[in-house]
Parts: sequence; structure tokens; C-alpha cells
Amino acid sequence: AQSVTQLGSHVSVSEGALVLLRCNYSSSVPPYLFWYVQYPNQGLQLLLKYTSAATLVKGINGFEAEFKKSETSFHLTKPSAHMSDAAEYFCAVSEGETSGSRLTFGEGTQLTVNP
Amino acid sequence: GAGVSQSPRYKVAKRGQDVALRCDPISGHVSLFWYQQALGQGPEFLTYFQNEAQLDKSGLPSDRFFAERPEGSVSTLKIQRTQQEDSAVYLCASSRWSEAFFGQGTRLTVV
Repeated sequence: AQSVTQLGSHVSVSEGALVLLRCNYSSSVPPYLFWYVQYPNQGLQLLLKYTSAATLVKGINGFEAEFKKSETSFHLTKPSAHMSDAAEYFCAVSEGETSGSRLTFGEGTQLTVNP
Repeated sequence: GAGVSQSPRYKVAKRGQDVALRCDPISGHVSLFWYQQALGQGPEFLTYFQNEAQLDKSGLPSDRFFAERPEGSVSTLKIQRTQQEDSAVYLCASSRWSEAFFGQGTRLTVV
């Protein structure tokens, strides 16, 4: 069975400050890991994904995440927060890279960006 | 279409009423998933189709939930005799390779 834990249901940063959203996973097989962003009343948009290639993954909108097997972590970072980054962020894990692999999500982290 | 389309966007149902939620996936996408997202929670898997075949329905919470994709394209999630605990956003996602594309969801409120 797979699971995801996101530490901190709410994170608040100032505009221009570092964004760090934490995600730890549990998986009995080599995991495929994802970060999604959800804006109010919208669906989920993929930010980035780890699929066993490079451990540092770069995504859209300046976000990146680093896969650390020893720590079972996949934390999301952005050097400088922008007001438009305010949204809910979900970490997810799947057992495979194929189109038929279901996702197991964490409970989400609401990011607030203060001016 | 350009993306995954779900209808209706909002649905209010009286307890005990049947509802049907529609998903139009991206053309050519073989895989289709339904997820349920309760308020303040992450999405939870309900069921998975590969073309018209329902390969996994282990996430359906009860036999009141039924999903179909008869021609391997449009899918319908049906909930019979709705209950208050069914209130949630129902998300549909389609994928062809490794990336899942999500619709905007249907927000179901059972009163």
C-alpha cells in the first residue's frame, strides 16, 4: 500500500520569500511522485513529476522538488513566492508511470502569500 | 476538446435522489479515472477504466455508486439514493501516457 503525508495543512509566506512544502511518502515499490496545484473551483494541474530519472525535478512556474530516497521525501520548493502562487498543493504517489496507474494523494497544503 | 470536461459543475440533490455526473475525457485518452474529494481533503480514488473496461472499482464506497464508459469515451458516475456523506467534489481525469489531466470537477451537495 502507498501513502503520502503532507506536513502542514497551511503554510503562509511573504511575497518574495522561499516556499517550502513538505511531502513524505510510503511505498513498497519504487515510487512515482507528483505535485499538483489546485486553484479555487478548478481541477488539479500537474506542477512536476519524479519518474526515477534525475532526483531534482524542475516544474512549471519556477517550482522544483528533490527526491530523497533515504528520507522518503519529495519536498516542493520555489525560491521566491509570487502572489499568484496562492493555492492548494497536493503531493501524490503512484506505483507506475503508465497511464493506468492510480494516484494516492496527501491531504493538501494551503499556501497563502502575503504582500 | 482541449481538456477534460465535466458536467454539471454544481449539483444540489435532495437526500434519496439519484444523480448522474458526466465526464468527457481528452480525445484519444485510453485511461479514465474518477476521484472523490471531500471538503478539506485530498482526492481519493474511486474507479478506473481502460477504454470501455472497468478494471478497478475498489474505491467505490458502496453499491450505490456505479460508473460506466460504454463506448470507451464519455463516462458517467451514477450515485443512487444519495446521502449527506456523498457531498464532495467528484473529479474525472484522463491520461494517455504518464500524465493525468483533471477536469474542473462536479461539486455535489446533498441536502
